[in-house]
Amino acid sequence: DAKTTQPTSMDCAEGRAANLPCNHSTISGNEYVYWYRQIHSQGPQYIIHGLKNNETNEMASLIITEDRKSSTLILPHATLRDTAVYYCIVSPRNNDMRFGAGTRLTVKP
Amino acid sequence: SQTIHQWPATLVQPVGSPLSLECTVEGTSNPNLYWYRQAAGRGLQLLFYSVGIGQISSEVPQNLSASRPQDRQFILSSKKLLLSDSGFYLCAWSRRQGLNTEAFFGQGTRLTVV
Repeated sequence: DAKTTQPTSMDCAEGRAANLPCNHSTISGNEYVYWYRQIHSQGPQYIIHGLKNNETNEMASLIITEDRKSSTLILPHATLRDTAVYYCIVSPRNNDMRFGAGTRLTVKP
Repeated sequence: SQTIHQWPATLVQPVGSPLSLECTVEGTSNPNLYWYRQAAGRGLQLLFYSVGIGQISSEVPQNLSASRPQDRQFILSSKKLLLSDSGFYLCAWSRRQGLNTEAFFGQGTRLTVV
């Protein structure tokens, strides 16, 4: 199984872009990169996913390197409500979604 | 639209008592279903996943079990709870057909074993 590595914690100033990195050096060709976030005491919320092209939606942008060994989730204008634990996972067909410890993002005023 | 229901929201149970947590999904058919546990301050641990009725894959050895008696119903059980079973239990579903799709989580059950 592909595994991911994320920093334990990050801080970001309110209104600034938050860039959350993820390493997945053993990702295989049919595995997608997914990002979720979990606000305290709630279930995780899907953010975005991609295979090899960069993706953007109303919540965030996902930048995947050409070799697919790493990716970055970008929250363009972080707000206090974006404070959460962000999980990067790789999964072939969503039959086997394994979450790591994630990155605890704290957005500060 | 699809919804996922998980109950109860909180539960306090004595050591040695049985457990039954239920999760149901509405608005979709043939979903993949998952049970996760999150200990305090820790990440999500995949406990079980199911791709169909009666098909359960267990990820870690433990005194918990899962069953899927109906297509959109997933039950997490224990015959005798341990203190270490305390945690935040989350049910999730995803579409089985087609390419990769996202997973949708319930609001969770916070279990305290005393």
